[in-house]
Amino acid sequence: AQRVTQPEKLLSVFKGAPVELKCNYSYSGSPELFWYVQYSRQRLQLLLRHISRESIKGFTADLNKGETSFHLKKPFAQEEDSAMYYCALSGGSNYKLTFGKGTLLTVNP
Amino acid sequence: GAGVSQSPSNKVTEKGKDVELRCDPISGHTALYWYRQSLGQGLEFLIYFQGNSAPDKSGLPSDRFSAERTGGSVSTLTIQRTQQEDSAVYLCASSSGLVRSTQYFGPGTRLTVL
Repeated sequence: AQRVTQPEKLLSVFKGAPVELKCNYSYSGSPELFWYVQYSRQRLQLLLRHISRESIKGFTADLNKGETSFHLKKPFAQEEDSAMYYCALSGGSNYKLTFGKGTLLTVNP
Repeated sequence: GAGVSQSPSNKVTEKGKDVELRCDPISGHTALYWYRQSLGQGLEFLIYFQGNSAPDKSGLPSDRFSAERTGGSVSTLTIQRTQQEDSAVYLCASSSGLVRSTQYFGPGTRLTVL
């Protein structure tokens, strides 16, 4: 079975502070990990995926297979980063996504 | 081009009634997914269609739920004899169907069962 855990439901930081959203996963094979973001009144959209190894909007995430983690990080949070963030895993042949419960990030001015 | 669209955006129904939710995927996308987003359960996979292959229905919560995809494009999710616990946002996503292709999500249909 595949499972994604996001331990923090809510995370609040001040503008300019570093932010880390935690994600741990459970999967027996080689998963693909994603971060999706949902801004207020907008649809769910892909932020980044581990195979791309790129930085989007200043966010990065590194897959740590030893710790089965895929934490999302940004060195200097901006107010426009306030949103709901979902970590997701894809591991089967149908590429269905298994999501964590999400972390609501609030960046205060 | 146009993204994934869903209709209606909101649906209020009475317990016991049937509802149909529609998804128009991105043109040319062969893979289509339905997910459910609810307060208690988060985002859950419901069903997956890929081309002409048999759909993966492993996420459907009960036999009151069914889905069709006609002509490899538009999909309809049907919930029969709706219950209050069916209240949720139903999301549709599509992808090109290629290995590791990105899923693009629609805006969702918010279903409220009174």
